[in-house]
Amino acid sequence: QQPVQSPQAVILREGEDAVINCSSSKALYSVHWYRQKHGEAPVFLMILLKGGEQKGHDKISASFNEKKQQSSLYLTASQLSYSGTYFCGTENNFGNEKLTFGTGTRLTIIP
Amino acid sequence: DTGVSQDPRHKITKRGQNVTFRCDPISEHNRLYWYRQTLGQGPEFLTYFQNEAQLEKSRLLSDRFSAERPKGSFSTLEIQRTEQGDSAMYLCASSLVLGATNEKLFFGSGTQLSVL
Repeated sequence: QQPVQSPQAVILREGEDAVINCSSSKALYSVHWYRQKHGEAPVFLMILLKGGEQKGHDKISASFNEKKQQSSLYLTASQLSYSGTYFCGTENNFGNEKLTFGTGTRLTIIP
Repeated sequence: DTGVSQDPRHKITKRGQNVTFRCDPISEHNRLYWYRQTLGQGPEFLTYFQNEAQLEKSRLLSDRFSAERPKGSFSTLEIQRTEQGDSAMYLCASSLVLGATNEKLFFGSGTQLSVL
């Protein structure tokens, strides 16, 4: 089952913050986050495992709420380079072996 | 690190023709995935390999689609009797799995297929 992402699109001014959500109707084992720029391949950002963890590097971080079966990606003090489409990929069971990706959130950062 | 490479980058074909795409994963990676992506959508899983063994194939995948990974290195994806609905970006990804770990995927730039 495909995870649902919200919002579908967001436009920010440079320096503003954004939150992207990813929800699943099934129990989650892990959530992966990727960013894809137009015409390019998706690039890995981070993996979060069940147990409720939070990760971050630079000004991009994420949380995983196992009970709510959702993950949120936080982008603070956004930079122009953050523009792109963000996808979450979910695994429902350990050993599920493949990621099911959401429909994406298109983020546009304007100067 | 040469990354995941896919060939060709673009393919235009007429309906009914067969097409074949190639993916060269990162050399030490043991898992290889094929995904399909249409405009405005996330990547959709097609199939994946662990070394040379094809371990799973999407139930949505038509019998016209076949994939191979001989010797556990490069992989090919063939679509027979192409239809206009096959038009999409075909993405290959690879990863290194050691024991019970969750791995990140490294994606290639994809092959854009247009069926006329």
